[in-house]
Amino acid sequence: DSGVTQTPKHLITATGQRVTLRCSPRSGDLSVYWYQQSLDQGLQFLIQYYNGEERAKGNILERFSAQQFPDLHSELNLSSLELGDSALYFCASSVAGLLNEKLFFGSGTQLSVL
Amino acid sequence: GENVEQHPSTLSVQEGDSAVIKCTYSDSASNYFPWYKQELGKGPQLIIDIRSNVGEKKDQRIAVTLNKTAKHFSLHITETQPEDSAVYFCAASFYNQGGKLIFGQGTELSVKP
Repeated sequence: DSGVTQTPKHLITATGQRVTLRCSPRSGDLSVYWYQQSLDQGLQFLIQYYNGEERAKGNILERFSAQQFPDLHSELNLSSLELGDSALYFCASSVAGLLNEKLFFGSGTQLSVL
Repeated sequence: GENVEQHPSTLSVQEGDSAVIKCTYSDSASNYFPWYKQELGKGPQLIIDIRSNVGEKKDQRIAVTLNKTAKHFSLHITETQPEDSAVYFCAASFYNQGGKLIFGQGTELSVKP
């Protein structure tokens, strides 16, 4: 167990809908990362937060947004969902979000858009 | 740019044999190169990492080597066991990109009993 908690484990929804994925980092970690894993794209970095502030942004669609709350948990919001958004979404955390830190991953949320 | 390439995409070995997975990275990578193992239905799990001040690191049956001149690093698993079957990902951190990791495309390792 990595100590990173993600909920829900599975989510099934329809096109055009909006969902929220939740992540609680390991105790003591201040930085949270979101990754998307699809069969043809591997693990793609979406966005990183450190202590409530956005630190780095990857290939995150404008329909997607995230935030990190004062208690350090993070939420990834996906809206106007399309079939192609179906994927595994992982959250990871690290101590301070700095270069060369170890990242620890949660078990992921499997999103299916029908 | 930030890029990590991983080969092979699939690898099948007989139990007890060795397995080697190789990755190359682009110029701007820093000095931190972790390897993750992902089992079906689970998240990536950190199994070993290496920093550029060493050329090799070993942990029981797993070893990683790094050649900074050639910009490549490799994962070596010896005496493979069926429970080693999983998808393995290499990754690298990149200067001026905070703590995020860029991942290779993954290698599906199958160890046949």
